[in-house]
Amino acid sequence: DIQMTQSPSSLSASVGDRVTITCRASPDISSYLNWYQQKPGKAPRLLIYDTSNLQTGVPSRFSGSRSGTEFTFSISSLQPEDVATYHCQQYSNLPYTFGQGTKVEIK
Amino acid sequence: QVQLQESGPGLVKPSETLSLTCSVSGGSITNYYWSWIRQPPGRGLESMGYMYYNGRFSYNPSLKSRVSMSVDTSNNQFSLKLSSVTAADTAVYYCARLACSGPTCLLDYWGQGTLVTVSS
Repeated sequence: DIQMTQSPSSLSASVGDRVTITCRASPDISSYLNWYQQKPGKAPRLLIYDTSNLQTGVPSRFSGSRSGTEFTFSISSLQPEDVATYHCQQYSNLPYTFGQGTKVEIK
Repeated sequence: QVQLQESGPGLVKPSETLSLTCSVSGGSITNYYWSWIRQPPGRGLESMGYMYYNGRFSYNPSLKSRVSMSVDTSNNQFSLKLSSVTAADTAVYYCARLACSGPTCLLDYWGQGTLVTVSS
């Protein structure tokens, strides 16, 4: 299976801060990566697909990028409603696998 | 707006078979893949596999021969069966639509999830 290593496992930041989460893939998955947001007690919600494409209706403060096998998810200005766990997911090879998740909290 | 809703027992005894159904409304089950994902308490997400509306499927090898899925196009539903369950199968189970276009695949609609506890 493709291993997705996500970091950090949790972070705390202030409203308005830039937040960055990383997922590293092994082996290479090209750009075949999605990001999901999961609020407490809720199902995940697709935010970004194919590394950097924003799903319809998702605020532009969310973004994604790639450098080789390292993928970055960013929130440009953290808002209170962004408190959630964020998951990366690869779809290069079956079975599709997820990162361990990053819990984002407000400081 | 596509909506998915899981249904099934919330408690299953060890060694028995877990059975869940996902009802799809607001759109047709045809021309899409349909997936099951689970999340043990306090842990990450695990893809269990998916099934195309015509019966083509792919299961996670980690579940070996315990998992099976089916699609009922006449009722716009798809189902999951997981046999010989143990406490390790206790999780929130989600159904989701897997939309693929060219090389891009994404899980764009999800059910609310249902907690299944394995306990005697």
